[in-house]
Amino acid sequence: DAGVTQSPTHLIKTRGQQVTLRCSPKSGHDTVSWYQQALGQGPQFIFQYYEEEERQRGNFPDRFSGHQFPNYSSELNVNALLLGDSALYLCASSLRRGSGNTIYFGEGSWLTVV
Amino acid sequence: AQSVTQLGSHVSVSEGALVLLRCNYSSSVPPYLFWYVQYPNQGLQLLLKYTTGATLVKGINGFEAEFKKSETSFHLTKPSAHMSDAAEYFCAVSDPVYNFNKFYFGSGTKLNVKP
Repeated sequence: DAGVTQSPTHLIKTRGQQVTLRCSPKSGHDTVSWYQQALGQGPQFIFQYYEEEERQRGNFPDRFSGHQFPNYSSELNVNALLLGDSALYLCASSLRRGSGNTIYFGEGSWLTVV
Repeated sequence: AQSVTQLGSHVSVSEGALVLLRCNYSSSVPPYLFWYVQYPNQGLQLLLKYTTGATLVKGINGFEAEFKKSETSFHLTKPSAHMSDAAEYFCAVSDPVYNFNKFYFGSGTKLNVKP
């Protein structure tokens, strides 16, 4: 059983460009959350998707957007990249129903903005 | 609102010594509590979690943590450190009432194990 898979693992972009990161949740999971982990910091919640809709959002600008597909996979899009967007982006999957269920994280996508 | 404070961004212990990593939280409701470990250039791996029931929780690799409501703490311990325990550890909380899937993380504690 594959866990949470993310792609790409590493990428380098130029300021002002746009980037798309992808996540496939653990089999059977229907909820996907995205986190940004800047160097030396703990992960920060970006947003969460369930039933193909954004359900909650953290304190991130509209440049950050996402999507969830019918198969529960998800994308994170960041427009007009800034140097400060350089970070590890983590995807987490879980089951919406049944409190206390374990949440699984992917290995992350390392984004460097130059 | 939830928040997490991890006291000590860096902790250094000798191999075989006790490991104690501190976590205090702030929450408007009794939270769910978690410890995750992150090895260099890797994602987060769950060590243990507290949701309900017994307040002393045992996890993988010999780690355990105790939920102390009166102290709003969830400190992580291991009786004897191994070299392989060197990593960064994150404490996290979630709100079981509103959204247990949304985590608030501490800033992390890097554990160094000396031979």
